[in-house]
Order: sequence, then C-alpha cells, then structure tokens
Amino acid sequence: GAGVSQSPSNKVTEKGKDVELRCDPISGHTALYWYRQSLGQGLEFLIYFQGNSAPDKSGLPSDRFSAERTGGSVSTLTIQRTQQEDSAVYLCASSLTWTVGNTIYFGEGSWLTVV
Amino acid sequence: GQQVMQIPQYQHVQEGEDFTTYCNSSTTLSNIQWYKQRPGGHPVFLIQLVKSGEVKKQKRLTFQFGEAKKNSSLHITATQTTDVGTYFCAGLTETSGSRLTFGEGTQLTVNP
Repeated sequence: GAGVSQSPSNKVTEKGKDVELRCDPISGHTALYWYRQSLGQGLEFLIYFQGNSAPDKSGLPSDRFSAERTGGSVSTLTIQRTQQEDSAVYLCASSLTWTVGNTIYFGEGSWLTVV
Repeated sequence: GQQVMQIPQYQHVQEGEDFTTYCNSSTTLSNIQWYKQRPGGHPVFLIQLVKSGEVKKQKRLTFQFGEAKKNSSLHITATQTTDVGTYFCAGLTETSGSRLTFGEGTQLTVNP
C-alpha cells in the first residue's frame, strides 16, 4: 500500500479482555516495528521484526504482550488480559530493510483505551 | 541500557522567533534521526545524520550531529505556526541493530 496501515484506529476495551492490533506495512518493506506512546510521552520500543530472523522482543513490557508477523508482511500485536496502564497509542512502522539508518515510516496508530 | 534525553520538554515561542531542541545520548551513536509529530498525528521522518560533526539544512531547519556523536540539535529559524508539533530525536548504536531509542520529545507551540 501507499503507507503503513493500522487497524483498528480506535479501540475501547474492558479491563481483562484481550485485544489484537493489526499492522500492514508498506509493500516491499522487510523490517517492521511496534512502538507504544502514552499521552504526551515519547515512543517506547516494543518489538522489531527483520525479514526471516527471530524478532527482537526485548521491549515487550510483560508476557501479556506478544506479536507475530505472518508471511513477512502483516503483523498482529496481541495484548492479553488488558490493564488500564496498557492504554496508549500503539504505533507500527516499517522500513525497506533492516540496514542501520533506513528511514522508518510510521502508521497512524491504534488508540487503545482500557476502561 | 541506552538513554536518549531531550531538552527542553516544552517551548513556547512567538512567530518569527528561533527555536532549538537538544538531544543527548548516554552512549555513542552510529546514527541519529529526527522526527516531527503534529498534534494528533504520527511521527514523520525529517532527517538522518551519520557523520561526526555533520550539519544538514532543510530550508529553515538546521540539524547538527556532535563531534563525539553523542549529541545532536535541531534549530528552526524564524518559526511559523506550521512548525507546531513535537520534535523527537531517535538514536541507533552499533549494537542496537535497527532498534531506535527515542527521546521524550520537545513540544513546540508558536503564538501568531
């Protein structure tokens, strides 16, 4: 596609429920990133996929968070048993390759509110 | 782990005034990138610096990378209302792969 596409754009969920957030990177981009941004804060790295290599999961805040990338394209970020502190904007980004210094393109984000 | 700090956190200027945000890393960076995020929007890539002492200009924006590759700055000359937003720096180290560490950002407001 023309840009990084994320869905849903907004999600309100009850505490304790599971949520899935989807990211469709720019066509041909082999690197995919998930970041989290709380209101008025900076971006917190969550996970990074590079081609067929094992993902860098070092930023996932707890074992309630997981992500997968199927077929080297679409990625899904899953949050189990959501907590109120999970409320944030979840930003997906992609880049052409995993070479250091490649421009990263962000999607519009998925705004998650846990009530 | 690697930390990237930005100052100031907020900056209010009158239209036409200059603006500067500073970025400092706890470790030597191989690469630093700058992003702009408009209110309600997503971060948009502005520029990338890789060489020690590098200076790049984009119209009214001037970006610098320190000699020691541990700090960087973004300077905007004669701000306009369209410059409003949060400016983030993000750094890479030799060992971080493509994992960008973002600063907290500087939120710029411009009074017309």
